[in-house]
This record gives sequence, C-alpha cells and structure tokens, in this order.
Amino acid sequence: GNSVTQMEGPVTLSEEAFLTINCTYTATGYPSLFWYVQYPGEGLQLLLKATKADDKGSNKGFEATYRKETTSFHLEKGSVQVSDSAVYFCALITWRGGATNKLIFGTGTLLAVQP
Amino acid sequence: DAGVTQSPTHLIKTRGQQVTLRCSPKSGHDTVSWYQQALGQGPQFIFQYYEEEERQRGNFPDRFSGHQFPNYSSELNVNALLLGDSALYLCASSLMNQPQHFGDGTRLSIL
Repeated sequence: GNSVTQMEGPVTLSEEAFLTINCTYTATGYPSLFWYVQYPGEGLQLLLKATKADDKGSNKGFEATYRKETTSFHLEKGSVQVSDSAVYFCALITWRGGATNKLIFGTGTLLAVQP
Repeated sequence: DAGVTQSPTHLIKTRGQQVTLRCSPKSGHDTVSWYQQALGQGPQFIFQYYEEEERQRGNFPDRFSGHQFPNYSSELNVNALLLGDSALYLCASSLMNQPQHFGDGTRLSIL
C-alpha cells in the first residue's frame, strides 16, 4: 500500500543553521506530495506541495523537490529561525479519477530551533 | 475569509459515552475529510464526505460515523468511547483536486 517514511526527531538546530528533513514514499501511480507544519496546539498548515516529478515546492524559505527516481521529497531550509520550531509532516495523495483522495502522512518530525 | 472551523476545541468524556464533533469547511469547499491524530503520531484518515455521502473510509470501526449537511458542514460521531479514542480529531476541507485545508482540531480526552 501507499506509505510515507520520514526521519525521526527531534531535530535540534541553532538559529541560522541549515535544515534537512528526509522523506521517502511508496505509492502506486503518480502521487502529489506535501509538507504540512503543525505548531503547538494548532492544526496542520500546508507548507508546500509538488504535483509531478522534478517539481520544486517552496514557501517561506522552505523547499522540497519531487524526486521520482529516489521516491523522495526532502524538506530543506537554508537558515532556520526560532519561529520555525514545530512538527513537520510529509504526506502524499493519490488521485482517483479526479476525485479528492485521502492524505497519507508520515509520523512527523519535531524541529526545535535554539537561539 | 474564514478557514476551517471546528467545535468544540476540547472535550472530556468517560468510557462508553457518545460524542459529536462539528466542522464547518472553508468557504467554497465541498469535500470534508476527518482524521484522528494520536499523541506523537501522524493523522490517520477516518472518512470523507462529498455531496452528503461517505465516499471513502479508513480502517476505523463502525463506532465512528459521520454526516454532511447541505451547507457542506459535517459531524463526526463516536459511540461507545474507549480510552484509545483519546486523540486530536482534525477536519479538512477541499475542492476536487485541490490541497486539503485543516482546522485546529478538537482535543478529545477519555477518562
């Protein structure tokens, strides 16, 4: 079945450090890939997305490239801030004849940025 | 433009009771999905509603049921609550082929 595997946390970084959170997937067909972020006590916010191979999603300094050959969608940011501290979820969706389908999530990676 | 709103924000119940959670989708969205997020885990898909019908269902027992109203809002009902039902319940809304937008969730605690 379809699944998402992401690196376990917590990831602890100093402010302005480079961030990478690894995500790999298994899916039939051609999934769309997402990164969601969850701040303490809140729901999930869509951070970025990519809908086909070699697409790069980007938002707020975060980037991820859809790599079909390695089935990966790693999240990167060049310089993290304390305000980036949150849990990050990698997710995929496969489309059924154009109908909206269910999201499949990884287990999440806690990022803690220290000043 | 209001996003996805869920109520209540927190709820405490005892084993065996029943609970109803509510969700209003983002304006213009017609599809509502429900997810259960246990502590320290990723969200797990419960079911999805479109045109007032359940279109998909995840691996959850029949104690979990739902409804979608003509205005696209939705309810999640859970009967015979178990301790293991304690979780954050997330509602997400979307349009066909578009990303899902999440509410802040309802934190359900079972004593």
